[in-house]
Amino acid sequence: QQPVQSPQAVILREGEDAVINCSSSKALYSVHWYRQKHGEAPVFLMILLKGGEQKGHEKISASFNEKKQQSSLYLTASQLSYSGTYFCGTYSGTYKYIFGTGTRLKVLA
Amino acid sequence: NAGVTQTPKFQVLKTGQSMTLQCAQDMNHEYMSWYRQDPGMGLRLIHYSVGAGITDQGEVPNGYNVSRSTTEDFPLRLLSAAPSQTSVYFCASSPGGDYGYTFGSGTRLTVV
Repeated sequence: QQPVQSPQAVILREGEDAVINCSSSKALYSVHWYRQKHGEAPVFLMILLKGGEQKGHEKISASFNEKKQQSSLYLTASQLSYSGTYFCGTYSGTYKYIFGTGTRLKVLA
Repeated sequence: NAGVTQTPKFQVLKTGQSMTLQCAQDMNHEYMSWYRQDPGMGLRLIHYSVGAGITDQGEVPNGYNVSRSTTEDFPLRLLSAAPSQTSVYFCASSPGGDYGYTFGSGTRLTVV
């Protein structure tokens, strides 16, 4: 089942922080985060591994909640270039890779 | 390194026509997937493959067929196009494991 992201949309001023959540009905093994700009393909941003280790972006970080059924993406000191739609991606079963419902982020000057 | 290449970029079909969306990757990735994205919607998995000769259905497979005869190529066939298949189609590949997916630039399909 498709992970549910919240909020569905958020508007920020440049320099503000944002949190995007990705919730699953079962425990997440690892979570990837992507950003899609309008009219373009999604681009991989970072991975959050099951032990909490992460690889990716300088000003973007992520975490699991206690039961590992939710991952949160933290965008620090947002820039105009952060605007886009964010998706979490994860494996459902061994090989089936699915995406969350998406969160639209708009950063204003 | 071209990455993931999708052709065509745009296509208009009449209801009932069939066509094949092409996808090729040059990164030697074992995992390949097809997704459709409808306006304001997320990415829904159509079919996926974990290697040459191995394919399986995703969340919305009806009306689509796939095959994977080589590691590089993963074409998606629309059997009899319907207006409900109007969408943007993305092909993506990954080495698997902890690595994320690399996407092609997409095919915008309109069925009239």
